[in-house]
Amino acid sequence: SQTIHQWPATLVQPVGSPLSLECTVEGTSNPNLYWYRQAAGRGLQLLFYSVGIGQISSEVPQNLSASRPQDRQFILSSKKLLLSDSGFYLCAWRAMGTGTQYFGPGTRLLVL
Amino acid sequence: DQQVKQNSPSLSVQEGRISILNCDYTNSMFDYFLWYKKYPAEGPTFLISISSIKDKNEDGRFTVFLNKSAKHLSLHIVPSQPGDSAVYFCAASANTGFQKLVFGTGTRLLVSP
Repeated sequence: SQTIHQWPATLVQPVGSPLSLECTVEGTSNPNLYWYRQAAGRGLQLLFYSVGIGQISSEVPQNLSASRPQDRQFILSSKKLLLSDSGFYLCAWRAMGTGTQYFGPGTRLLVL
Repeated sequence: DQQVKQNSPSLSVQEGRISILNCDYTNSMFDYFLWYKKYPAEGPTFLISISSIKDKNEDGRFTVFLNKSAKHLSLHIVPSQPGDSAVYFCAASANTGFQKLVFGTGTRLLVSP
């Protein structure tokens, strides 16, 4: 069966510090991968998606970036965090040819 | 522009009764709709989906109804159980290569014993 992992689970970072969140998927090949953010009291906003290694598309202009160095690994990064980057970050995967996305456990990021 | 709307931020239901969660959308290109359940500090869990070629899909206690002419879908939970208490998100996508999901803002369901 397929599983999706995210780490860390919780992160507290000062403003201006770098960020690296990691997501890995097991049990599937060539998944579509997604990064979402849920701000407090709001819905889920798509940040990035990837259809293959090295292929990243951005949905929202911001100081975040994403990379996909391996087929089942998706990384969310920032060089300098802003207070507004605080939120709950979710990684999701989708098998090719299907319509359902499956989410990881999430990372809660607090920027102080 | 909120393409997917869940106008009820919360809903309270007694155990054993029916819970009805509603969702409206504006984009006529959406052809696939999903419901997710989310507990605090956890990722959303997929519940049920429906394609635009159907008007109903049922899975155990969960049934999703789609009214394309009204651009409205609903999730029925029968019977409701206290463990169903969570935030429910509806999401929609158009038939594109990367299958972008557009989410509503969620409805918090509280099922009391």
